[in-house]
Amino acid sequence: KQEVTQIPAALSVPEGENLVLNCSFTDSAIYNLQWFRQDPGKGLTSLLLIQSSQREQTSGRLNASLDKSSGRSTLYIAASQPGDSATYLCAVSSMEYGNKLVFGAGTILRVKS
Amino acid sequence: DAGVIQSPRHEVTEMGQEVTLRCKPISGHDYLFWYRQTMMRGLELLIYFNNNVPIDDSGMPEDRFSAKMPNASFSTLKIQPSEPRDSAVYFCASSSTGAGEKLFFGSGTQLSVL
Repeated sequence: KQEVTQIPAALSVPEGENLVLNCSFTDSAIYNLQWFRQDPGKGLTSLLLIQSSQREQTSGRLNASLDKSSGRSTLYIAASQPGDSATYLCAVSSMEYGNKLVFGAGTILRVKS
Repeated sequence: DAGVIQSPRHEVTEMGQEVTLRCKPISGHDYLFWYRQTMMRGLELLIYFNNNVPIDDSGMPEDRFSAKMPNASFSTLKIQPSEPRDSAVYFCASSSTGAGEKLFFGSGTQLSVL
């Protein structure tokens, strides 16, 4: 059974810091991995999608890496800003579950000004 | 495109009442997903449709839950009768090719069953 774990559960950093959020999954037979952002009272916004054949994806100050063999992904946020404060979730689609995404519980990020 | 549109944003009802949640996916997206989010269980997939056909409803918790997609631009999730433990945020999401592409979420319906 695919399980997705995110560490840390919560993170508080001063503005300007570079930070890393971690995601691990138990079954390496994945199709892809997505990182989402969720603001309070809002839906999820897909930030980056990494296909299983890829090692990383970049969008602006965000960089996501994928190490499928070890079952790990990281989301790197450069020069963090207060507007980055949100919950970040990772989700994997795997061969076992087809179109079902399995989500982690998320990391709550607070960037202090 | 306006994105995935859900209604209502908030629903407060009494136990035993019928609740209907509505979703309009992004035009052209062939896949529609219904998720439920709670503090205890996180995000759970309830059911998903491909080209208006229900493909997997194994996540629907009980027979009290039902979902329909009568056409490509509209889906409903119904709970009858509702119970306090159904209180959660219900999200609808759509994508063009299932889990192979980015998933677009609506803003959700906050359901409170008293």
